[in-house]
Amino acid sequence: KAGVTQTPRYLIKTRGQQVTLSCSPISGHRSVSWYQQTPGQGLQFLFEYFSETQRNKGNFPGRFSGRQFSNSRSEMNVSTLELGDSALYLCASSLVGGILYTEAFFGQGTRLTVV
Amino acid sequence: AQSVTQPDIHITVSEGASLELRCNYSYGATPYLFWYVQSPGQGLQLLLKYFSGDTLVQGIKGFEAEFKRSQSSFNLRKPSVHWSDAAEYFCAVGPSGNQGGKLIFGQGTELSVKP
Repeated sequence: KAGVTQTPRYLIKTRGQQVTLSCSPISGHRSVSWYQQTPGQGLQFLFEYFSETQRNKGNFPGRFSGRQFSNSRSEMNVSTLELGDSALYLCASSLVGGILYTEAFFGQGTRLTVV
Repeated sequence: AQSVTQPDIHITVSEGASLELRCNYSYGATPYLFWYVQSPGQGLQLLLKYFSGDTLVQGIKGFEAEFKRSQSSFNLRKPSVHWSDAAEYFCAVGPSGNQGGKLIFGQGTELSVKP
């Protein structure tokens, strides 16, 4: 079956602009999580959506937001981009419901460069 | 606070030699534990996971890991390393129960393989 699909793979934006990244989870997966990966900070959790509701949130400023649609696809938005937002943004989907948890499957990521 | 520590930032081993990557975690409850591998510019691939039961778990590509509760460790091992194993390896701890899909990652260990 198809894996997690992230689009676009690469983006170059200018400081102050905003950007929207997309993630299509594995069919049937209802949880989508987003992570930021940088050389200095490593992999950091941004937020998780489950059934169109944000269930968990990491320690990122309000410029980072997301949403999930009824088909479980998710988008992540970053407004007023800063140079420090340059990173690989990874999306992960998992089959989560109630007390059931399965492993997270990751997409290839979107490489965002802010200039 | 929950945390994951990978003490070795970079390890170099000769092809055919054995490998052990260390991972220590701090977590209040019994955690779900994972090892992921990442090739340059790519997403994360799950190598193996521990949820409960047998403390020695087998994964893909000939990897195994052992959960030691008394030492709060989940070290990754491989008896004979191949050149294609060169990559970055991440240990992660996940929530138990119904706390959603948030993963906490270690800083990663970069593995180089000498011919």
